[in-house]
Amino acid sequence: NAGVTQTPKFQVLKTGQSMTLQCAQDMNHEYMSWYRQDPGMGLRLIHYSVGAGITDQGEVPNGYNVSRSTTEDFPLRLLSAAPSQTSVYFCASREQGSYEQYFGPGTRLTVT
Amino acid sequence: GENVEQHPSTLSVQEGDSAVIKCTYSDSASNYFPWYKQELGKRPQLIIDIRSNVGEKKDQRIAVTLNKTAKHFSLHITETQPEDSAVYFCAAQWRTGANSKLTFGKGITLSVRP
Repeated sequence: NAGVTQTPKFQVLKTGQSMTLQCAQDMNHEYMSWYRQDPGMGLRLIHYSVGAGITDQGEVPNGYNVSRSTTEDFPLRLLSAAPSQTSVYFCASREQGSYEQYFGPGTRLTVT
Repeated sequence: GENVEQHPSTLSVQEGDSAVIKCTYSDSASNYFPWYKQELGKRPQLIIDIRSNVGEKKDQRIAVTLNKTAKHFSLHITETQPEDSAVYFCAAQWRTGANSKLTFGKGITLSVRP
């Protein structure tokens, strides 16, 4: 199993550009989440999904969209990038009925 | 919602000494408390967790204790080694259902001096 994978590893955007961060898992996990990590702020939940077709907002959802058309994939879209979205983004998944989350390797995003 | 706080924000210990990292949480309904270790440039990795029906759990050099009454839990690392240097995050979660979310503390940077 590859576990949770994320692409790209690094990305530089200009203010106003849009892009999609990809996340995929091959463990058939129902729950998937996106977090952002900023220095001194820990991990903050952006959006999460409890299954295909079902998504909900987390703590810091503004400026981000998600969709979940399949169990495996959970892309995160930045509609109009802003410097405040410079961060490291982690995708995570867990099995229904389980507590343990599995994290992807992260995407480091810089918005200039 | 849940609020998780970690103290202190940085900790430096001599190799071989013990390290204790404390977290407090606000929601008495939380019943799962994991600890994650994150090395520089890497993803967070679960190192130990505890559920609210258990007061202490140990795995080799690491242990976690939970005080539900006081709403705090602690990570204990004995015989620290330089490879223990990392950022450690505590978290709290209520149940495993659709509406349960993991809330993280801000992290503590542990430095082990050789």
